[in-house]
Order: sequence, then structure tokens, then C-alpha cells
Amino acid sequence: EADIYQTPRYLVIGTGKKITLECSQTMGHDKMYWYQQDPGMELHLIHYSYGVNSTEKGDLSSESTVSRIRTEHFPLTLESARPSHTSQYLCASSEWRSEGSYGYTFGSGTRLTVV
Amino acid sequence: RKEVEQDPGPFNVPEGATVAFNCTYSNSASQSFFWYRQDCRKEPKLLMSVYSSGNEDGRFTAQLNRASQYISLLIRDSKLSDSATYLCVVNDPEAGNNRKLIWGLGTSLAVNP
Repeated sequence: EADIYQTPRYLVIGTGKKITLECSQTMGHDKMYWYQQDPGMELHLIHYSYGVNSTEKGDLSSESTVSRIRTEHFPLTLESARPSHTSQYLCASSEWRSEGSYGYTFGSGTRLTVV
Repeated sequence: RKEVEQDPGPFNVPEGATVAFNCTYSNSASQSFFWYRQDCRKEPKLLMSVYSSGNEDGRFTAQLNRASQYISLLIRDSKLSDSATYLCVVNDPEAGNNRKLIWGLGTSLAVNP
């Protein structure tokens, strides 16, 4: 049973449309992340948040924006979708574990196609 | 130079084989190390953390060499279900307090019957 949920799983949308990708987690994690990944390619961090009202841009420039109004919710918005935005978007959250390590839990991803 | 480097493979091995993956990282200040597994078109999942003394989880053994900035993953008695991409991951020490991870490109493994 997943503790981090992304919707929709698949989205095909026309150029110029505004879209919001949803991500919610039930683990109470403070840290949340958005990654972009093309098939066979590496993960690129596009946004992250260390808590409510905290958002930062990641290592890869992105035209998307995020918000963190509630701990459990970290939506990503594209104001005007373009074909170059076609990709898989993965949301993750993390915690610090007692054994001195921490892990990321990923959602199942949203596969976005802009036509 | 990439911050985390892995041989992309693919590694094609028969069932039952032992296979080893290596990874190097560039920032000696990194303190946390992981191996993740990613199946085709799926999300990454944590396979195991890597501790300084080395650690084992069933058929999987991870080792860390801080002096050489080198991490390894050994898989014994390979199963068909081990076919996946294995991602080497280290924390970004510049981000502080283990807040961000740096991901390798991954090594692709195909276990054949």
C-alpha cells in the first residue's frame, strides 16, 4: 500500500493548457521533492521543499511552480504546457531514520504527454 | 565530471551468476550512501543503505571505500527478478543536514534464463 500518491498516472494534454500534478503523502515527512525523468535517463531534481511554506528550485531549470501549504501536499503546476514538458514526473518524500540513514519514498509518477 | 559515476552497462548475466556494480562519487564530504533499484517505467525504490563497515541483506552486499570514494554492490545467485537498473546515490553535502541526494545514471542489469 503506497504512502505517497500521485495523480494522474497518465496525462495527455494540448499545448497551452494549465495543468497541476498532485502529490500527497501520509507519512508526515517534512521533506518533499519533484523529479523529472525521461526514459532511460537520469533523475533531475526540479523542486524541493523542507516544510510548509518552504520551496526551492532544484538543479534542473523548470518552467513549473510548486506550493507547500500543507505538510502532506506538494502540487506541481505548469501554467502553459508545451511539448518539451513531455516527461515522467516523480514525487518523493524523505525522513531521517534512527539508524543514521534516510530514505526517499517515491510516488508511482505521472507520465505527461503534451501534444 | 559527474558527481556520481556508474558504468551504465548493460550487464547481461545468466541466472545464478554473481555480479558486481561499482560507483564513484566526487565530493569527499558526502556522508550517506544508498543503492536504489528502478524497474522499467517505474519509480526508484530503496534497495539498501551503505554503511562504512559494509553491510549485507540476503543476496546483496554493499561496501564503501571512503578513501577511494567508491561504493560497490554485489548480487549473488542472480534471479530473473533482479533485472532492473541500479542507482548509486549519495547525499549532497552542500545542501546540509542530508537534505538532498545526488543520483547516478544507473547500471542496467539483465538476468537471463
